[in-house]
Amino acid sequence: DQQVKQNSPSLSVQEGRISILNCDYTNSMFDYFLWYKKYPAEGPTFLISISSIKDKNEDGRFTVFLNKSAKHLSLHIVPSQPGDSAVYFCAARSGSARQLTFGSGTQLTVLP
Amino acid sequence: NAGVMQNPRHLVRRRGQEARLRCSPVKGHSHVYWYRQLPEEGLKFMVYLQKENIIDESGMPKERFSAEFPKEGPSILRIQQVVRGDSAAYFCASSPTGDGYGYTFGSGTRLTVV
Repeated sequence: DQQVKQNSPSLSVQEGRISILNCDYTNSMFDYFLWYKKYPAEGPTFLISISSIKDKNEDGRFTVFLNKSAKHLSLHIVPSQPGDSAVYFCAARSGSARQLTFGSGTQLTVLP
Repeated sequence: NAGVMQNPRHLVRRRGQEARLRCSPVKGHSHVYWYRQLPEEGLKFMVYLQKENIIDESGMPKERFSAEFPKEGPSILRIQQVVRGDSAAYFCASSPTGDGYGYTFGSGTRLTVV
């Protein structure tokens, strides 16, 4: 049972345009959501997070939106840069659990 | 570098051998988590440990897998009698608290079973 789903395995965007990565979840107990970025042969690096009491969190070029009623979150990157090319993982945590539940990832390619 | 150190980076084992993966957490972090990433999949939680204690091993296969985090030294993930299906990237993460925030991941160990 995949509780966190990233339905787009890949996304290509032109440099300077907006990248939108999507994530859906099924577990209504999730109360904290995170996005990680991963380069080949490296571990995931934390990017941005959002608590379920908020619907938006912004950090520089990165904004995460949370729609609790739709159980959907998205990561917006604007403007996109070639260095943003990586695999992006959505992850979620429920209040009582210490572990994170990850989606399967989306490979973002930013074309120069 | 105060990051999470995992070694070896690459490990090749024949079927039936043992694999030992080591993880040194960020200095001062006493909470360690192990995750496994199978090809084309996301990271799956395996086990959460504090010093000398296994707190949650709900994601660990019941047989052949074990983990420890001794008082001194790195955390060890041990896989006995490896099979081809164990081939994966194994990531360790550490945090200063056990509340699931503030994870720092290591670069992983890529295990290949031949």
